[in-house]
Amino acid sequence: EAGVAQSPRYKIIEKRQSVAFWCNPISGHATLYWYQQILGQGPKLLIQFQNNGVVDDSQLPKDRFSAERLKGVDSTLKIQPAKLEDSAVYLCASSPRVRTSGRTGELFFGEGSRLTVL
Amino acid sequence: DAKTTQPPSMDCAEGRAANLPCNHSTISGNEYVYWYRQIHSQGPQYIIHGLKNNETNEMASLIITEDRKSSTLILPHATLRDTAVYYCIVRVRGSQGNLIFGKGTKLSVKP
Repeated sequence: EAGVAQSPRYKIIEKRQSVAFWCNPISGHATLYWYQQILGQGPKLLIQFQNNGVVDDSQLPKDRFSAERLKGVDSTLKIQPAKLEDSAVYLCASSPRVRTSGRTGELFFGEGSRLTVL
Repeated sequence: DAKTTQPPSMDCAEGRAANLPCNHSTISGNEYVYWYRQIHSQGPQYIIHGLKNNETNEMASLIITEDRKSSTLILPHATLRDTAVYYCIVRVRGSQGNLIFGKGTKLSVKP
């Protein structure tokens, strides 16, 4: 099966500019996650969607970050305006509905979008 | 915060077994131990998970102590392609909640 697709792979912007990342999860996966991974650290959850509803956005800096998942399929993450500390890899992951799939609830990650803010 | 403790780095000779330890002394009865790895410039990849019995799949083996306070991931014959950061995570099985990552163990497999 096709994996989680993300774009762009790399983006360089100046501080105070805006940027958007796109994610297309594995077909049929109900849950979608956006993680931020700063160099040398493990990924940290920004927001979790169940279908097109937000489950957890407690760690999303809402003054500058926004995310949506229209129609419960693909998703976009936007940063406006960007700060130097937003330089990181933004990872998208998806997981199937446990009850219907019988899967373990494991997450499937994309390759990430690397953001550099100058 | 992550509920696990792992050494920051380990080395292993190619072809030898790599044994990666993890402490999870506060694990709850309904929490499983999951292992993921992240190869450079890629997203994390699921390896294996277990509750209290030892588990084995095509990638690795997972040994969990009887008191469930620690575990060891074993890569039986490490190759250069196993060089990665390995994350040990405790999580309620079947939960749709997110994974809480620590800093993991950077495993370097050397020829």
